[in-house]
Amino acid sequence: QSVLTQPPSVSGVPGQRVTISCTGSSSNIGATYDVHWYQQLPGRAPKLLIYGNSNRPSGVPDRFSGSRSGTSASLAITGIQAEDEADYYCQSYDNSLSGSIVFGGGTKLTVL
Amino acid sequence: EVHLVESGGGVVRPGGSLRLSCVASGFTFEDYGMNWVRQVPGKGLEWVSGINWNGGGTGYAYSVKGRFTISRDNAKNSLYLQMNSLRAEDTALYYCARIQSLEWELSGADYWGQGTLVTVSS
Repeated sequence: QSVLTQPPSVSGVPGQRVTISCTGSSSNIGATYDVHWYQQLPGRAPKLLIYGNSNRPSGVPDRFSGSRSGTSASLAITGIQAEDEADYYCQSYDNSLSGSIVFGGGTKLTVL
Repeated sequence: EVHLVESGGGVVRPGGSLRLSCVASGFTFEDYGMNWVRQVPGKGLEWVSGINWNGGGTGYAYSVKGRFTISRDNAKNSLYLQMNSLRAEDTALYYCARIQSLEWELSGADYWGQGTLVTVSS
C-alpha cells in the first residue's frame, strides 16, 4: 500500500483532457514538500515529466501540467495522444520516521 | 549526454549478498545527489536509498535499513549499493537515478539508468 494514493487507471479518447490525482497526508504533500511526476512507457525507465509541483523539464510538451493543493497534487494532460499511453507516478518526500522518498502506486493511462 | 549504467545484478540465494554499481558520464557527478529506486516487473516504483553529493548524508527505505548500504566514489563517477541478507521480496529491477540537486531528498530524478535485475531465489 503506497503512501501516496493514485487511481489505478484512467482513460480517454485522443484530444481529451485527463487528470491524475495524487493524495497524500500532512507528513508529505501537506507539509509542502514538492511533488514530482514521472512517465514510464512500457519496457522503459521512468522519465521526469513534472518537477517542483508544476515545472516541466526541457523537451516535455506543454500539454502536461502539474499542480499541488493541500495534501494532494494532480497531473493534467490536455489533448491526449496515443503516445501518452503509459504509467504515471507521483513522488514526494515524507518526514515521518527518519524521512524517506515516497511514490504513488502508479496510474495506467489508456488512450482509447 | 548524460548516461547512467547499472551493473552487478544477478541471481542470488536468500541470505546472500550483491553489490550494485552505477557508472555516470556526461555530467559532473559530484554536483548531484543520487538515488536507487527499484521496481518489481509489472509493479510500481519503490525508493530504496539516497545519498547526497559528497556521501555525507544518506537515507534508506524502512524495508532495507540495516541490510543495504549506499555509497559513492566521486573520483570514479560511481554509485554503489551493497545489499546483504537478501530476501525474496528484494527481487526487482534496480535503477540508479540522478537527483536535481546536491541532496537526495527533495528534488526530482531527472536521469535514470536502464536498471539491473536482481533475483533472490533458492
